[in-house]
Amino acid sequence: QSVLTQPPSASGTPGQRVTISCSGSSSNIGKNTVNWYQQFPGTAPKLLIYSHNQRPSGVPDRFSGSKSGTSASLAINGLHSEDEADYYCAAWDDSLNGRLVFGGGTKLTVL
Amino acid sequence: QVQLVQSGAEVKKPGASVKVSCKASGYSFISYGISWVRQAPGQGLEWMGWISPQNGKTKFAQKFQGRVTMTTDTSTTTVYLELRSLTSDDTAVYYCARDRSVAGIGFGEAHWGQGTLVTVSS
Repeated sequence: QSVLTQPPSASGTPGQRVTISCSGSSSNIGKNTVNWYQQFPGTAPKLLIYSHNQRPSGVPDRFSGSKSGTSASLAINGLHSEDEADYYCAAWDDSLNGRLVFGGGTKLTVL
Repeated sequence: QVQLVQSGAEVKKPGASVKVSCKASGYSFISYGISWVRQAPGQGLEWMGWISPQNGKTKFAQKFQGRVTMTTDTSTTTVYLELRSLTSDDTAVYYCARDRSVAGIGFGEAHWGQGTLVTVSS
């Protein structure tokens, strides 16, 4: 059972806007930065969003992140077929002497 | 460019230990911490711990305390993960990942190794 809660699946058609939620608590999302990763089958995760809403160089601006209280969201505007992947949220958690925690992951299907 | 190259796949018997390496290049090795993250087959990402190559400081997930060792070799810019007393539950792909920021862990892991499959089977 993951410390951060994500829906196991999400879907959308090309061109649509899709959002993926990530719910945490006061010891993680409530006080620390949220990061998002994209992972394709058989490959390493890739940093997609850091510090709630910042994109590393090379990440298209149709990917965006937001945070409110103890929850965060990843939004994908203008969905592309190549966006079909697993998405994970992550944050530092101050409990248990400190640890990095991940959501369980959301499998995004482009219909 | 930043590269993290990990050692090859391992097959171990229950009770054994495994040591995985992660050779870093393309940046100032001592300036950025390295985390180890594993992923069991069909499962999500699990953080194991973090090490600072600058001073050897470590942070471990409680689950792995006492069973894991992380070390660095600044002469070869290599980070090592050793996991002991392996069980079938340790079968996973193990990734090393570099901090995005010199501020440390929690601000995003911007660079990842290719992963090392560790299979524990009798």
